[in-house]
Amino acid sequence: NAGVTQTPKFQVLKTGQSMTLQCAQDMNHNSMYWYRQDPGMGLRLIYYSASEGTTDKGEVPNGYNVSRLNKREFSLRLESAAPSQTSVYFCASSERSPQWPQHFGDGTRLSIL
Amino acid sequence: EDKVVQSPLSLVVHEGDTVTLNCSYEVTNFRSLLWYKQEKKAPTFLFMLTSSGIEKKSGRLSSILDKKELFSILNITATQTGDSAVYLCAVFEGSQGNLIFGKGTKLSVKP
Repeated sequence: NAGVTQTPKFQVLKTGQSMTLQCAQDMNHNSMYWYRQDPGMGLRLIYYSASEGTTDKGEVPNGYNVSRLNKREFSLRLESAAPSQTSVYFCASSERSPQWPQHFGDGTRLSIL
Repeated sequence: EDKVVQSPLSLVVHEGDTVTLNCSYEVTNFRSLLWYKQEKKAPTFLFMLTSSGIEKKSGRLSSILDKKELFSILNITATQTGDSAVYLCAVFEGSQGNLIFGKGTKLSVKP
């Protein structure tokens, strides 16, 4: 009963390095999301995918790209990491649109030096 | 600009107390309001409210929405140390199709 699985759980990068955060859900949900959570800022939407084959920008998309690989998997890529991207990243999924309750993964804590 | 404001930002109570957490919102096209509980890791879903005046209840937790006054409250009765968490309020607005989160209320329940 995994739900939403994110990898890795922790990562330290140097400025300018690239990396991909992985997310997979086993609930057969149509919609998937990437958020970042910073102290005092709450959860902010980076990108979302309403269904397989579609992606849309959220509130804070700059510096990120996403790929909806299939119905289960939604990855987030940082092409050239910057210290401002130090954050906790959460992947979530919902049965249908964002209006439906979203189920969250445990997060990836990313530090960029 | 759409926004969701939660109050208080933090709260310390003793076991057995009753607490009320507040969430007010200003969004252009309101569709629903959701409450989440976040302990150390993933936020977990508590309630979704779409209709005004109808209370949702789960054990010691309950929530109600007032669409006229644009707010919701989350009540926790007979608090326990396991209720210690950050409680997040989020509003789904239909124009952009986004879920907008408040900054959360950090609840600490002392034995």
